[in-house]
Amino acid sequence: GESVGLHLPTLSVQEGDNSIINCAYSNSASDYFIWYKQESGKGPQFIIDIRSNMDKRQGQRVTVLLNKTVKHLSLQIAATQPGDSAVYFCAENIKGNKLVFGAGTILRVKS
Amino acid sequence: ETGVTQTPRHLVMGMTNKKSLKCEQHLGHNAMYWYKQSAKKPLELMFVYSLEERVENNSVPSRFSPECPNSSHLFLHLHTLQPEDSALYLCASSPNHRYGYTFGSGTRLTVV
Repeated sequence: GESVGLHLPTLSVQEGDNSIINCAYSNSASDYFIWYKQESGKGPQFIIDIRSNMDKRQGQRVTVLLNKTVKHLSLQIAATQPGDSAVYFCAENIKGNKLVFGAGTILRVKS
Repeated sequence: ETGVTQTPRHLVMGMTNKKSLKCEQHLGHNAMYWYKQSAKKPLELMFVYSLEERVENNSVPSRFSPECPNSSHLFLHLHTLQPEDSALYLCASSPNHRYGYTFGSGTRLTVV
């Protein structure tokens, strides 16, 4: 069945460094992907999305890369700040079906 | 505030209690969802409502009973829960099933 998973459960980075959070998906029919950020005590918040007809999409300090050949999705955060500390989820969507979420990666930013 | 409000934020209940979780959205969204978030596990979709009609029930035990009286409100009625039901319960809404999911802050439920 469809599944979305994350390679690293916890990522620790130094403040100011770049962060890369990875996600693998198994369903080649998935055509829309989303990254969410969940801070302590809050629900998941939308960060950035990408459609399957794109390889890269940039936002403010964040970039999402999609490699459909290996079914891999990554979130890059430039100049990581303490406020970036959170759990990050990827989610996939297959043509109008509900989102399928991954387990999440904890990002810890060291000052 | 995200536009999706959940109450209460925290709830402790005994296994024989009956309680309800409330979710409210004023984003004009047509779909509303209940998710269960347990430690180190993916978000588990419990129920989906589209235009106030339940369209999905993911094999959730009957001790969880959803209610959607209108497009802005969603409830999750709880009764005779088990300790393993302790989790963060998240409500979300979206204009359709594909885009624009907005989550509430969740209700942290502890069953004792």
